[in-house]
Amino acid sequence: QITLKESGPTLVKPTQTLTLTCTFSGFSLSTSGVGVGWIRQPPGKALEWLALIYWNDDKRYSPSLKSRLTITKDTSKNQVVLTMTNMDPVDTATYYCAHRQGIAAAGIGVFDYWGQGTLVTVSS
Amino acid sequence: DIVMTQSPDSLAVSLGERATINCKSSQSVLYSSNNKNYLAWYQQKPGQPPKLLIYWASTRESGVPDRFSGSGSGTDFTLTISSLQAEDVAVYYCQQYYSTATFGPGTKVDIK
Repeated sequence: QITLKESGPTLVKPTQTLTLTCTFSGFSLSTSGVGVGWIRQPPGKALEWLALIYWNDDKRYSPSLKSRLTITKDTSKNQVVLTMTNMDPVDTATYYCAHRQGIAAAGIGVFDYWGQGTLVTVSS
Repeated sequence: DIVMTQSPDSLAVSLGERATINCKSSQSVLYSSNNKNYLAWYQQKPGQPPKLLIYWASTRESGVPDRFSGSGSGTDFTLTISSLQAEDVAVYYCQQYYSTATFGPGTKVDIK
């Protein structure tokens, strides 16, 4: 079955760079159509899509955060890494990685399997 | 960016009654070349990640009970829970994937 798990620091200081790793199993990111995305959710607030990487290494970013985000993949390790620069307290959120569903595979698509998320707090 | 809005912010429905949630996009998410609406619905229970319920505006994800249904086209969409069960208490989000991806602000559903 498909599983995903996020890992990374729970606390970062303002202006620092956040690096999160998504380790997954049950699928290959070298299979045509597959993608892994990152979505975040500030405490008590709505979901915000951040980035997506496709099987062919194509990448998409949220327009409002594009300058701060980088998404990469390591197919051999079954991992996707998201980096976000210049962290601010407003970036405090639970960060989720998720598998892009293969049926509604158009554009960014939709997400059918999610990790449990990792809470990142930005504070000095 | 396509902005998604939802109404109401919250609603309380008696067990067994119908719950209706509305979602509106700032521009059409209907792709003319395939006549598909790039709109999905998710359910999120406290302390859990979201769960995909519906995509293409009206197609239920595998394993989702048939009391959940989606409808609408263009800019206006509805998620209906035909007979609310206790386990349906959650926040529901719509998401467009026509142009990158954006989520609505969520609608909280409780038992009256």
